[in-house]
Amino acid sequence: AQTVTQSQPEMSVQEAETVTLSCTYDTSESDYYLFWYKQPPSRQMILVIRQEAYKQQNATENRFSVNFQKAAKSFSLKISDSQLGDAAMYFCAYRSITGGGADGLTFGKGTHLIIQP
Amino acid sequence: DARVTQTPRHKVTEMGQEVTMRCQPILGHNTVFWYRQTMMQGLELLAYFRNRAPLDDSGMPKDRFSAEMPDATLATLKIQPSEPRDSAVYFCASGFWGFGNTIYFGEGSWLTVV
Repeated sequence: AQTVTQSQPEMSVQEAETVTLSCTYDTSESDYYLFWYKQPPSRQMILVIRQEAYKQQNATENRFSVNFQKAAKSFSLKISDSQLGDAAMYFCAYRSITGGGADGLTFGKGTHLIIQP
Repeated sequence: DARVTQTPRHKVTEMGQEVTMRCQPILGHNTVFWYRQTMMQGLELLAYFRNRAPLDDSGMPKDRFSAEMPDATLATLKIQPSEPRDSAVYFCASGFWGFGNTIYFGEGSWLTVV
């Protein structure tokens, strides 16, 4: 079974600064998907960014980018020019590409991101 | 703007009562998931369907929880009888397995059992 670990329960950053959230995972599969979801106080789960394991290029979405290190099984999220609206819980998630066994997302415990004005 | 729709958004009920949560997945998605989120356990997969067929419900307490998908536009999660430990946010999510693989979440149903 896959596991996802987020070692930072809470992070704090000044507005306009850059912050990196860490995520590691464990899997025996060679192909899979990785995601970062944002959960603001409203509890809505919002997709931030996704990465296909077979792609070497790191995914980017505006101010959000990832550092995907497949060999190290690491998938960190970098938020540049952080804004007050970025304050939320951030979840790293893994999904098998085969879907033959257990499907769905395996989530980390989350990182609470605080933005200091 | 396609979205997963869940009802009710909030529910307060007394212990022992039946609770039914409903979900309308995004049109065209062939996989529907039910997740539960609590402070202690985080996000847990309760059950999921593909093409309306239940594939895995190993995350659900079988004696009191049931999940069904009577048609492609409706998934239900029922708790009978409800207990205080069932208090949580329940998310429905949908995706298309085979392409893309991104899973989209509804806004969640906040359940409080008193």
